[in-house]
Amino acid sequence: NAGVTQTPKFRILKIGQSMTLQCTQDMNHNYMYWYRQDPGMGLKLIYYSVGAGITDKGEVPNGYNVSRSTTEDFPLRLELAAPSQTSVYFCASAQGTDYGYTFGSGTRLTVV
Amino acid sequence: AQKITQTQPGMFVQEKEAVTLDCTYDTSDPSYGLFWYKQPSSGEMIFLIYQGSYDQQNATEGRYSLNFQKARKSANLVISASQLGDSAMYFCAMREDGQFYFGTGTSLTVIP
Repeated sequence: NAGVTQTPKFRILKIGQSMTLQCTQDMNHNYMYWYRQDPGMGLKLIYYSVGAGITDKGEVPNGYNVSRSTTEDFPLRLELAAPSQTSVYFCASAQGTDYGYTFGSGTRLTVV
Repeated sequence: AQKITQTQPGMFVQEKEAVTLDCTYDTSDPSYGLFWYKQPSSGEMIFLIYQGSYDQQNATEGRYSLNFQKARKSANLVISASQLGDSAMYFCAMREDGQFYFGTGTSLTVIP
């Protein structure tokens, strides 16, 4: 099925470890986004991209990095995991800014 | 200041009744978009409805309608004929200058 695929679904990291959250979409959407959702809270934008080769910081970019080498892929990198990064991470894509997002199923990350 | 404010942490509605979920927003940009998303307990995010700032008519999508009051900067979601499957978290969001901002959400419970 077409959509946004996120991997892994769950992950436990130790403080200081690194990992990459993968996000792939097959809808040829130019816009892609990474959000985090803390318990009982709304989504906060980490990074976004308006096309291959272009990335921009969102509201909470510290501790994260992204790349957009292709239209399909938008991986999120955590370099030195901290307990404050325990959250659910959502990747999303959109055809344009006047269109609703298609969200991935989320990655539940726990840093211990 | 909060870009999106949802003041109702939790709401209850009787099955088959209508319910209004409140959302106010803050922007000085004349061009913006307003969105509502549903997040069931399974965690995925589902796009429901979109309203552009220049749209004259209120957006409708099936049982969902968006009560857009531009002067009051409100974009309330109205769900008609509630169903048990409508029980979920609902997030209001605004697109401004290429970025999206989400509210903290309203938890809706539909009572049989």
